[in-house]
Amino acid sequence: QPVLTQSSSASASLGSSVTLTCTLNSGHSSFIIAWHQQQPGKAPRFLMKLESSGNYNKGSGVPDRFSGSSAGADRYLTISHVQSDDEADYYCETWDTNTHIFGGGTRLTVL
Amino acid sequence: VHLRESGPGLVKPSETLSLTCTVSGYSISSGYYWGWIRQPPGKGLEWIGTVYQSGSTFYSPSLKSRIDISVDTSKNQFSLNLNSVTAADTAVYFCAREGYCSGSSCYFGGADSWGQGTLVTVSS
Repeated sequence: QPVLTQSSSASASLGSSVTLTCTLNSGHSSFIIAWHQQQPGKAPRFLMKLESSGNYNKGSGVPDRFSGSSAGADRYLTISHVQSDDEADYYCETWDTNTHIFGGGTRLTVL
Repeated sequence: VHLRESGPGLVKPSETLSLTCTVSGYSISSGYYWGWIRQPPGKGLEWIGTVYQSGSTFYSPSLKSRIDISVDTSKNQFSLNLNSVTAADTAVYFCAREGYCSGSSCYFGGADSWGQGTLVTVSS
């Protein structure tokens, strides 16, 4: 079964860029993942699906500032020109034939 | 697509938690998978289970013995029943559209649309 590992916290200054990482466990480096953003007190919002090749498909209305990339078992979410409302929890998700798995989430603080 | 959860906000221990997700802007019978995810206060997301338009279901191994998810395509709704609840089942419950479709085929996959969530508290 796939397992997703995320750092618990990250920080970025206004206007800077930040990259969040989601790591798949051994044997699952080919898996597709999804990135979701959850602002405080709100429901999660789908950001993108990201393949092992680095190709990604974003959800409707997701700003160009959000991009994805991959390297081996690592899946990255990069936020450029960080804004105050990017302060949120970011979750990665993957799935196999009959189950879904979420990472523990990364809390992004905007300084 | 828009999803909205509904159901009681308070459930007594040992009783059954029942929630319904009403979908608008997309017909469940057209495809995709439809799932339930929960989030205990201050914690992360936990997948509960998923149903396909045909009624096929996929359940979390840790909850499998207590859950039943069903779909009603005539009402464009799907539902969650979780029995024998305890305080550990207190959470915000989200419904979501999952998977992806290509042509006439749909595949199991991650969430791409979420409901607003509903808080369910288990307490006497």
